[in-house]
Amino acid sequence: GAVVSQHPSWVICKSGTSVKIECRSLDFQATTMFWYRQFPKQSLMLMATSNEGSKATYEQGVEKDKFLINHASLTLSTLTVTSAHPEDSSFYICSANGRLGVWVSTDTQYFGPGTRLTVL
Amino acid sequence: RKEVEQDPGPFNVPEGATVAFNCTYSNSASQSFFWYRQDCRKEPKLLMSVYSSGNEDGRFTAQLNRASQYISLLIRDSKLSDSATYLCVVNSGDYKLSFGAGTTVTVRA
Repeated sequence: GAVVSQHPSWVICKSGTSVKIECRSLDFQATTMFWYRQFPKQSLMLMATSNEGSKATYEQGVEKDKFLINHASLTLSTLTVTSAHPEDSSFYICSANGRLGVWVSTDTQYFGPGTRLTVL
Repeated sequence: RKEVEQDPGPFNVPEGATVAFNCTYSNSASQSFFWYRQDCRKEPKLLMSVYSSGNEDGRFTAQLNRASQYISLLIRDSKLSDSATYLCVVNSGDYKLSFGAGTTVTVRA
């Protein structure tokens, strides 16, 4: 249980295009979803936190107009990288926490498999 | 100063060896601590939570020292499959996780 999926798993696009990444909780209701970015040999950096039905909270230094986050339902959040540039190439990972009975705690984040974005 | 700091390694050990490494965290108000494992080009996966009294999960032992603000992970009887990057993760109480950059462990035959 507590499975999170991401789509697509990898994407290559031209500079200037927009890319949408989906994050889904498959068997639980994700009250909160988190979007991270990881550059090679670096730690995961939190970009934003989103709660269902409300605006995302962005971390300092993350441009909200460039990284659009929508959390329209308890099982789906999307991240859109607008006008992507080569420096946006990275590994984007979402995670989710929530409750399903008592075995999924709000303290534990379950991660999606990640999306590798390459901008040419 | 980074919120979570780890020795990047790599730690190269033979099969069957014991390997241990630490991480330090800067926020004394941190409430929850975890070790995650990340394989190359994959997402992090929860290895174990770290409790104040220390805890074991099979060959893995985690310790927390709140006074010195460090967490340790010890792996006994290393297996080839233990080769991975181990991420020290700290929750500062607002459900946000702070990740260390990871410690790379390579177990050789």
